[in-house]
Amino acid sequence: GAVVSQHPSWVICKSGTSVKIECRSLDFQATTMFWYRQFPKQSLMLMATSNEGSKATYEQGVEKDKFLINHASLTLSTLTVTSAHPEDSSFYICSGPRGDTQYFGPGTRLTVL
Amino acid sequence: GESVGLHLPTLSVQEGDNSIINCAYSNSASDYFIWYKQESGKGPQFIIDIRSNMDKRQGQRVTVLLNKTVKHLSLQIAATQPGDSAVYFCAENPLAGGTSYGKLTFGQGTILTVHP
Repeated sequence: GAVVSQHPSWVICKSGTSVKIECRSLDFQATTMFWYRQFPKQSLMLMATSNEGSKATYEQGVEKDKFLINHASLTLSTLTVTSAHPEDSSFYICSGPRGDTQYFGPGTRLTVL
Repeated sequence: GESVGLHLPTLSVQEGDNSIINCAYSNSASDYFIWYKQESGKGPQFIIDIRSNMDKRQGQRVTVLLNKTVKHLSLQIAATQPGDSAVYFCAENPLAGGTSYGKLTFGQGTILTVHP
């Protein structure tokens, strides 16, 4: 399958700081990538669609000013959690399509103290 | 709203048994269905997919069945091994060409535990 990487794999930060998570497609290009959030023992919830060359589109209930998304190139999308709070602690996962199939990154564990 | 759900949240089997994981979906407009395996602390891993114009697809040790009449998906794993222990999610993808294409809706997940 296709390869998607994420960096960092885990991060611990203080409340009020901002954290950037990178998502890279290593063996394919993607004009669209997706960001999901997963709380413990729950399913994945789509947060937003990252669009290369245009603004991201956010799912209902997701604050666009808090979760900044930048699709810098056809192989890189970044998610910045601004002014993070403990309730933002979660597992953030990105995906990119190759053909009709979405391939997922390994995830980033964010812990906000 | 539309959702994809699972009948059984947990499934325990003995090594060598066959496993069946079920999933019900409610969006009749969905065109494409995928099963993912997620191990602890990792991202979902693609297992097998099926399109709405098919009712069965087989892979290596896995088979997906689609019953559009009752909006039901199942994943069958043959000769289950301890390495198959993980959470399994079904996901649905809206119609190709639509504005929601690629936006997967995930089911709750089933925890599969395989005992040696």
